[in-house]
Amino acid sequence: AQSVTQLGSHVSVSEGALVLLRCNYSSSVPPYLFWYVQYPNQGLQLLLKYTTGATLVKGINGFEAEFKKSETSFHLTKPSAHMSDAAEYFCAVSRSSNTGKLIFGQGTTLQVKP
Amino acid sequence: DTGVSQDPRHKITKRGQNVTFRCDPISEHNRLYWYRQTLGQGPEFLTYFQNEAQLEKSRLLSDRFSAERPKGSFSTLEIQRTEQGDSAMYLCASSRDRGPSYEQYFGPGTRLTVT
Repeated sequence: AQSVTQLGSHVSVSEGALVLLRCNYSSSVPPYLFWYVQYPNQGLQLLLKYTTGATLVKGINGFEAEFKKSETSFHLTKPSAHMSDAAEYFCAVSRSSNTGKLIFGQGTTLQVKP
Repeated sequence: DTGVSQDPRHKITKRGQNVTFRCDPISEHNRLYWYRQTLGQGPEFLTYFQNEAQLEKSRLLSDRFSAERPKGSFSTLEIQRTEQGDSAMYLCASSRDRGPSYEQYFGPGTRLTVT
């Protein structure tokens, strides 16, 4: 079975500071990993994904994440937070073969203080 | 590419009533997914279709829930005899079934409130 744990339901940073959102996964097969962002009353938007190949993946809006198999982690980072980054962030995993459903973490709310 | 659309965006219904939601996927996507999201939680998978075939259903999908995708285009999700516990955001997503990424694109969701 697959599962995702996001450490910290709320993260608060100052504008311009480093953003680090943590995600650990459990999977018995090679995983595909995703980060999605959700703004209030909207659907989810894909930030970035890891499928195969390079373990450091870059996404939209300056975000990146590194797949670390030994640590079963896929943490999301951004060097400098912007006020517009305030949102809910979800990490998700799916099976690498014939992916179907996504298994989501419980989400992390990012607050950016001026 | 107009994205995934869902209708209605909001639905308020009384307990015991039936409701139906519609999802229109991105036109070239042959996979369509339904998820449910309650307040403060991540989305939970309900079911998915490849073309018109429903390939997987979650145990969360009780017999009061039914989903269809006639002709492999739009999909409907019906909830019969709604309960207050059905109050949630219902999200639809679509994807290709081949290629390097399979990423799912989400619609804006339908927020259901059962009173």
